[in-house]
Formats: sequence, structure tokens, C-alpha cells
Amino acid sequence: DTAVSQTPKYLVTQMGNDKSIKCEQNLGHDTMYWYKQDSKKFLKIMFSYNNKELIINETVPNRFSPKSPDKAHLNLHINSLELGDSAVYFCASSQGRASEQFFGPGTRLTVL
Amino acid sequence: SQQGEEDPQALSIQEGENATMNCSYKTSINNLQWYRQNSGRGLVHLILIRSNEREKHSGRLRVTLDTSKKSSSLLITASRAADTASYFCYASGGSYIPTFGRGTSLIVHP
Repeated sequence: DTAVSQTPKYLVTQMGNDKSIKCEQNLGHDTMYWYKQDSKKFLKIMFSYNNKELIINETVPNRFSPKSPDKAHLNLHINSLELGDSAVYFCASSQGRASEQFFGPGTRLTVL
Repeated sequence: SQQGEEDPQALSIQEGENATMNCSYKTSINNLQWYRQNSGRGLVHLILIRSNEREKHSGRLRVTLDTSKKSSSLLITASRAADTASYFCYASGGSYIPTFGRGTSLIVHP
């Protein structure tokens, strides 16, 4: 049983397109996160979502929007994709913000 | 955001040797966590040390925390080729949004 799953695993798309990445966790956690890992391995937090409270990293462009239909899902929608959005995106979840995080396998996004 | 900064950026050792990597952070914390990332995979939690703890062990891992210096170290004893990975620290708590840094890339040669 996969604890944190993401789809798709790979996403190749053209500049200007809109795309979504889905994340689901079956751990019953109350907090979910989206991270972006660039080619230099920096793992930057984009959003965290705890019981309907959204905390946004202010450096994230507003083309990125998280959507949480319920506690087990936190999807990431990206509008007007740019070349610089190419990266690996990781979803994670935890029980409370200070606890151990469980990561998904990542989605490698390539924008052409 | 509060970013844990790992040092060194890269470490190359022989199997059987010990590997030590360090983490520094900026503000007060509730706990500090270490994670491992194998190439192309998501992070895996290794160990959590609370702010009132100074040292913690888990198998071949030993973590220390010095809150006065705002630093932590991760020691992997008797390293194995399978320990080859990137290691990240995560400083949780305080008024900043915690996040990860660039990690320490460890290569263990067989």
C-alpha cells in the first residue's frame, strides 16, 4: 500500500500550457505539502495545508495554486507553464507540522 | 522561511569509514529532523531530535544537537555503499516556515 502517491510520475508539456499534479495520502495525516526540487537539488517548500489552513511561500508565483478537495488530497495546478518550472515536484504529508514527513515518489515536470 | 543548511555539500569516503555532516539553522526550533534521498526518489525520514535532547542514536546513525550554536550533526558509522545518497536536515518550529536546503551528497565507495 502506497502511503503518499503522486500522478503523473513524468509530465512533458509545452510552454504556456496549464497542468495539474495530483497527490493522495492514505495515512490519515492532517498536513500536506508541496515541494519543488530544482536541478541543483534545492528542495524548496511551496505550500503547506493543515486542516484547511493554507500557508503559502511568498516566493511562489501565483500561477501555482494548490487545491485540497479533502484531507487526503492536495493537488497542484500550474497555469501558463514556463521553462523555469521544469523541476521535480514532491508531495508530502505529516501528522502535525512538526512531525516526520512522508514523501511521494515525485513528479518530474519538463517544460519545452 | 527557515532553511536548514547542510555542510559539506559533497562528501566522498570509503566503505567502512564514518561520515559526518552538519546542519545549521537560524532561529529557535521544536525539533530537528534528518532525511535521506536516494537518487530520483522522495525523501525518507531518518531521525528526529527534540530541542531538549542533545544526542540521539538509531542503528548506525548518531545525531547531536547544540541549540546554543543552532547546529546539528549526523554521524553515519561504518558506512556502506548503500548509504550513498543525499542527506537533508529540517529545522522545525519557530516563527519561520521551515524548509529544506540543498543537502549533503554522500558517496561511499565500495
